[in-house]
Amino acid sequence: NAGVTQTPKFQVLKTGQSMTLQCAQDMNHNSMYWYRQDPGMGLRLIYYSASEGTTDKGEVPNGYNVSRLNKREFSLRLESAAPSQTSVYFCASGPLWSSYEQYFGPGTRLTVT
Amino acid sequence: DQQVKQNSPSLSVQEGRISILNCDYTNSMFDYFLWYKKYPAEGPTFLISISSIKDKNEDGRFTVFLNKSAKHLSLHIVPSQPGDSAVYFCAASGNFGNEKLTFGTGTRLTIIP
Repeated sequence: NAGVTQTPKFQVLKTGQSMTLQCAQDMNHNSMYWYRQDPGMGLRLIYYSASEGTTDKGEVPNGYNVSRLNKREFSLRLESAAPSQTSVYFCASGPLWSSYEQYFGPGTRLTVT
Repeated sequence: DQQVKQNSPSLSVQEGRISILNCDYTNSMFDYFLWYKKYPAEGPTFLISISSIKDKNEDGRFTVFLNKSAKHLSLHIVPSQPGDSAVYFCAASGNFGNEKLTFGTGTRLTIIP
């Protein structure tokens, strides 16, 4: 039972490059979330999927797209990376569309040069 | 506009003493509050929560107090142990946890042996 897994753990991109951050959970959770953590800013919600087949924008969605591939997997895509997207990205999942009991992955540290 | 504020970026406490972490919020629609704990290179993990219908919730060494009139909550850890050294995030939600989480900026707690 791995919980929430994220790949890759680290990534360096040049400005303008694209990449997809992968997230998978094995807890049969309905809801999944993508957050970014920046110094002095706490965790901010980028996108979320309340249930399989639905996705919605969070607080800071600009520059990102998401795909809820199936119940287990929720990916985050940067189409044209910018230095402002340098951050640590966390994926989380939860059994229901609710704020408690969110389980977080270990994070992806992304640097855009 | 930071709706959830943790004004102390860091706190050092002697082992065995009480650690008190504080959090203030501005949005009067928030009615469900959570604390998450984060170790380096790991994702946040849920610690304890409280609904606005209560003013105190206890779980072992951890107690959260809510003062609705002051829009203030605090996390007490008694006694503090070296393993408690981590970053603590306060988070808030509306509709009794059925809205998106808004996180504070975090407080780094260091327990001194």
